[in-house]
Amino acid sequence: GENVEQHPSTLSVQEGDSAVIKCTYSDSASNYFPWYKQELGKRPQLIIDIRSNVGEKKDQRIAVTLNKTAKHFSLHITETQPEDSAVYFCAASGSGDDKIIFGKGTRLHILP
Amino acid sequence: KAGVTQTPRYLIKTRGQQVTLSCSPISGHRSVSWYQQTPGQGLQFLFEYFSETQRNKGNFPGRFSGRQFSNSRSEMNVSTLELGDSALYLCASSFPPNEQFFGPGTRLTVL
Repeated sequence: GENVEQHPSTLSVQEGDSAVIKCTYSDSASNYFPWYKQELGKRPQLIIDIRSNVGEKKDQRIAVTLNKTAKHFSLHITETQPEDSAVYFCAASGSGDDKIIFGKGTRLHILP
Repeated sequence: KAGVTQTPRYLIKTRGQQVTLSCSPISGHRSVSWYQQTPGQGLQFLFEYFSETQRNKGNFPGRFSGRQFSNSRSEMNVSTLELGDSALYLCASSFPPNEQFFGPGTRLTVL
C-alpha cells in the first residue's frame, strides 16, 4: 500500500529564515498531495495542496514543489513568523477515492 | 456552513470495554474518513466511508469498525479496548473528493 515518509521530524529555524520539509511517497498512482498544519490542541487544517499535473504551487509565503519522477514533494515556507510554529503533515492520495495517507509530521519551531 | 463535529470530545474507558464515537460531516459532504493520532505516529488512516459504504480500510485490527448513515453521519466502534488504543480520533469529511476538513477529535483514554 501507499507509504509516505516525511523529514525532518523536528525543525528549528530563526524567525525570518526559510523552512523546508520533504516527503517521499511510494505509490506512483498518487496524484494529490496536500499539506496540513496542526497547531497545539487544534485540528489539522489544509494549508496548500498540489496535484500531479503541476510541478509547483505558491500561496504567499508558502510553496509546494512536486517531482513525480522521484516521487518526492516539498513544502517551503519563506520569511518564517512565530505563528508558523506548528506540526506540519504531508500526505498523498490516489485517484477516485479519499484514502489519504499521511507522513508522521514535522514539528516546526520558529526561534526569536 | 457548520464545520465537522465529533462527539464526545473526551472519553475515559477501561480495558476490555467498547466505545462508539460519532462524526457529523459538513452538510453536503458524502465522504467521511477516520484517523488515529498518537504522538510519534502521526495520523494513521482507519477507514473511509462514502454513501454508506466502506470504500477504503487501513491496517487496523478487526476490533475497529465503522459505519455511515444515510445522512452521511458516521460512527466508529472499538471493541475490547486495549491500553494502546488511547489516542486522539479524528474524522474528516470531503466533497468533492480529496480536500478533507477535520473535526476537533475525540480524545480516548483507556485505563
